[in-house]
Amino acid sequence: GAVVSQHPSRVICKSGTSVKIECRSLDFQATTMFWYRQFPKQSLMLMATSNEGSKATYEQGVEKDKFLINHASLTLSTLTVTSAHPEDSSFYICSAPPIAGTDTQYFGPGTRLTVL
Amino acid sequence: GNSVTQMEGPVTLSEEAFLTINCTYTATGYPSLFWYVQYPGEGLQLLLKATKADDKGSNKGFEATYRKETTSFHLEKGSVQVSDSAVYFCALKWSGGATNKLIFGTGTLLAVQP
Repeated sequence: GAVVSQHPSRVICKSGTSVKIECRSLDFQATTMFWYRQFPKQSLMLMATSNEGSKATYEQGVEKDKFLINHASLTLSTLTVTSAHPEDSSFYICSAPPIAGTDTQYFGPGTRLTVL
Repeated sequence: GNSVTQMEGPVTLSEEAFLTINCTYTATGYPSLFWYVQYPGEGLQLLLKATKADDKGSNKGFEATYRKETTSFHLEKGSVQVSDSAVYFCALKWSGGATNKLIFGTGTLLAVQP
């Protein structure tokens, strides 16, 4: 089946620094990718929809200047957490549909961000 | 608004026990319903889905029936195995929303003991 990878799997950074998380579709092209955030014992919350070649669409309440999304190619989307603070510590997950418009999504394994 | 509520875990069962994980939803229109599973260290995987009322999704011995009258999509398996230990997420995609946007429940951790 289709595979989505994320890098890094874990990252620890100091408060005030920026962190980039990569999401790659390994065996298919994805014009759309989704970024989720998951808090402990809570559901995945959609942060934004990443669109190849155009601006990302952010969900209500998500700061677009804080969470920069770049979908530079059909196989790569990046999420940059800028000027990270401890409250940004979370589990970030991306997903992509191999076929646009279908219900099926393939999820990456997630990235654990810890901000000290 | 649209939401998904699923039972809190963890759920701990012995091997070959019967499993039920409850899931109810609130949505406008006619959503599609999903169960995703996340094994340790891996990404979420689609387990099964149902796109309209009374549909039954099934896979790997798991089943869930789309019940519009009770707005439920409970996950069941007749005999669990240790390898079923994972986190299970109920989710919906509503017909009036943008393509592929999913709303997830909080997830239920299942631990199956030998």
